[in-house]
This record gives sequence, C-alpha cells and structure tokens, in this order.
Amino acid sequence: DTGVSQDPRHKITKRGQNVTFRCDPISEHNRLYWYRQTLGQGPEFLTYFQNEAQLEKSRLLSDRFSAERPKGSFSTLEIQRTEQGDSAMYLCASSLATDTQYFGPGTRLTVL
Amino acid sequence: KQEVTQIPAALSVPEGENLVLNCSFTDSAIYNLQWFRQDPGKGLTSLLLIQSSQREQTSGRLNASLDKSSGRSTLYIAASQPGDSATYLCAVSQTTSGTYKYIFGTGTRLKVLA
Repeated sequence: DTGVSQDPRHKITKRGQNVTFRCDPISEHNRLYWYRQTLGQGPEFLTYFQNEAQLEKSRLLSDRFSAERPKGSFSTLEIQRTEQGDSAMYLCASSLATDTQYFGPGTRLTVL
Repeated sequence: KQEVTQIPAALSVPEGENLVLNCSFTDSAIYNLQWFRQDPGKGLTSLLLIQSSQREQTSGRLNASLDKSSGRSTLYIAASQPGDSATYLCAVSQTTSGTYKYIFGTGTRLKVLA
C-alpha cells in the first residue's frame, strides 16, 4: 500500500476562482470520504462514496461544492466561486468496508 | 446529534511522564472509536481503533480504553517523549444509512518538554 495521496498539497487562489482537488485512495478500498478541517478544529465530514456512488453529503457541502469518483477509483472535489470562508484543509480518507479509515496528507486551500 | 469533546484542550508535560487524554461523546450508539495523531499542517495518522464491542486496545506505549455506556474513552501514553508532541484527535464512527462517517473532537494539543 502506498497510502492515500492528495494533490495538490497547497492551493492559493483568489476569491471567485474555481479549484479542484484530487484524492487517490488506497487501491481496492471501496469507500472514500472527504472531510474539511479549519484551524483549531477537528475535521468535519463533507461527503462519502461507496465505489462510484455518492451516498451521503453533509449540509456543509453547499451548491458550490461538487465531488465525483468516476469508476470508483480516484475522487475529485471541486469548489466553484471560492469564498474566503472556504479556506481550510481538505482531507480525504479511504477504507475497506467498515474498517479503519486511512487519511491522506490533505490539501490546504487559502482563498485571498 | 453526536457531539465529541476532548479534555484538556492543551497539555504540556516534562519528558518521561505518563499522561491521559480524555474523550467523551454524547450518543453511545457508535460503531467504533479511533484515536489519531496530527502533526502541524499534516494529515491524520491512525493510532488505535476500538470496536464498539471492545474495551481497550494497546500499541506500544499507547493504550486506549472505551466505556460506551458512559460515553468515554481515554488514551494513555506511557513514558512520554518529545516526539509525542502533536495534536491528538478522538473520532467516533456512526452509521447513517450505511455511511460510517467519523465525528471528531477538537483535539488535545500535547507538548512534551525535553
């Protein structure tokens, strides 16, 4: 296992721009989760995929957010028309069935 | 709604001390509980996972206990080292329509002084 990878690790953007993050889970992990963590807080759940199906979305995921997991492999999280309040660490995790969730290094987003 | 609280929020101890980090949760209907370590600006590293049917798990100098009925878990770190300095997060997993999402506490920031 090479672990969960995320790209980019850091992203600085101007307010109003669109950004896209990528997560590559541990191979053969069928479950993939996105979380968001702001400074001094614990991560908060955003959305969950089982294989390619997005089965749950948090109320935190406004209409400007969209996530995909084509073919049940990697996943992308897109934020449209970014706002300063979107600045946070975006964490991806994967698991095999209901086992331990393994987290990636995160993508730190700064919106100027 | 599940709420997870971690006490203390920050802790500073001299090297070699044994210490206990506390985690409490309001809804005992959990699937499992996991302790994570997070270094500044980094992702989460899994330390110990306790299934809801278990009482404790041990790994090296770490021991985690779970009392589901009282909504409490503790992480015991023996003989602390400066390398243990990090934020420790507790998370409980609940199943909602098959989603085993984690609900996290705000963490305990630990500093071990050499």
